[in-house]
Amino acid sequence: EAQVTQNPRYLITVTGKKLTVTCSQNMNHEYMSWYRQDPGLGLRQIYYSMNVEVTDKGDVPEGYKVSRKEKRNFPLILESPSPNQTSLYFCASSLLTSGRAETQYFGPGTRLLVL
Amino acid sequence: AQSVAQPEDQVNVAEGNPLTVKCTYSVSGNPYLFWYVQYPNRGLQFLLKYITGDNLVKGSYGFEAEFNKSQTSFHLKKPSALVSDSALYFCAVSYTGGFKTIFGAGTRLFVKA
Repeated sequence: EAQVTQNPRYLITVTGKKLTVTCSQNMNHEYMSWYRQDPGLGLRQIYYSMNVEVTDKGDVPEGYKVSRKEKRNFPLILESPSPNQTSLYFCASSLLTSGRAETQYFGPGTRLLVL
Repeated sequence: AQSVAQPEDQVNVAEGNPLTVKCTYSVSGNPYLFWYVQYPNRGLQFLLKYITGDNLVKGSYGFEAEFNKSQTSFHLKKPSALVSDSALYFCAVSYTGGFKTIFGAGTRLFVKA
C-alpha cells in the first residue's frame, strides 16, 4: 500500500529536550516536505527536500532541522523544543513535475506538546 | 509575495444545496493549484488539481473546481452537498522557481441535514 508514515503520532516533551519525528514514504517520490498546522493559520511549510541531500527552508524553518540521507526518509529534528512549537505536524511526499511539487500525499500527523 | 487566500473561515449549507468554497491566489508564473480535504483527526487527502488544460477540473466525491486566470481564483464547487462533506478544506499552490507550496488558512464546511 502506498503511504507516508510518521512516528510518533503523539508526543509530550519538555522545553529543551531534543526530539526527532520520523517520516518515511514508499512511493519513490523525489519531493518531501514538513508542515505545521495551527488553528487559523492553515499549513505552513517548515522544510522541503527535492531529492537526497537537497533540502531548503520553507516559510517557518526557525527551530527545526532536517536531513535527507535516503530517498524514502525525511526526519524532522527539534534540537531544543520550545512551547511555541506545540503544533500538529504533517509530512508529505510527491513527484516533481516541471520543477514543481505535484499532488502531495500526507502522513497521518504528529501531535506535539512542548511543556 | 506569494499568497493564497480563503476568504471564508466557515461555509454553512443545507444538504442537497450547491456549495462553493472560495480560493484566490497571488503567485508568479503558472501555478499548479490543488484542493485538499481534512476530516477530524486525519491527515489531508487530495481532492483535485489544476495543472493545465480545461479550466473546469473534476475530482473525487463529486467535487469540481474552476480555474479563472483573470481573477486568479480556483473555487471549489459541488452541485449537491452531503452531510458527509462536512470537513476542513484547504486550497494550495505550488509554483516555479522555489519548490515551495503555499496553503490557504482553510475553510470549514458544515452541511446541515
